[in-house]
Amino acid sequence: RKEVEQDPGPFNVPEGATVAFNCTYSNSASQSFFWYRQDCRKEPKLLMSVYSSGNEDGRFTAQLNRASQYISLLIRDSKLSDSATYLCVVTPWNRDDKIIFGKGTRLHILP
Amino acid sequence: DGGITQSPKYLFRKEGQNVTLSCEQNLNHDAMYWYRQDPGQGLRLIYYSQIVNDFQKGDIAEGYSVSREKKESFPLTVTSAQKNPTAFYLCASEPPPGGHNEQFFGPGTRLTVL
Repeated sequence: RKEVEQDPGPFNVPEGATVAFNCTYSNSASQSFFWYRQDCRKEPKLLMSVYSSGNEDGRFTAQLNRASQYISLLIRDSKLSDSATYLCVVTPWNRDDKIIFGKGTRLHILP
Repeated sequence: DGGITQSPKYLFRKEGQNVTLSCEQNLNHDAMYWYRQDPGQGLRLIYYSQIVNDFQKGDIAEGYSVSREKKESFPLTVTSAQKNPTAFYLCASEPPPGGHNEQFFGPGTRLTVL
């Protein structure tokens, strides 16, 4: 099983729709979880952290399920500007271990 | 403004030449990282440094070298031994333990070998 797995997409979604991504991770001892957004030919930027209790930031909701070892990102009322690649990121408890980036899920919002 | 910078933004190199990519941060972060990203691919770790004067190889260190003489700076040299160096290179830094330890990225350097 790969350390962090994401559906590469692309997800082609009409503007205004709701879209959800999942990401699974293999290391049950992982500590922190994040979603990053990467626009074409740009650097990744932190979108939001993912907490066990779930967290919401405007149209974005992130959830963590430690028992099943996955995190999710929900985007409501999608906008054209949401088109990007979304990277799932998992960090270990042991600081000597490396942070793991998923390969990303590409999202295209269609007008 | 605090941040992480990389230069140059675009770099062209002839085969057989070594080139050095710059990465500077004024965030007072101890840990710094170099990643490579190829089209349609994820990030692959080249080297990382958790403290000044110390660094470790990542998953694809062959053909690359780094130094960490100052906390603020973590330059990456792409040597002629790197067989396929054309890629997008990203530098990142990470705050000390105790926070959420997310990484902050520079804008990247796009290297093309001619």
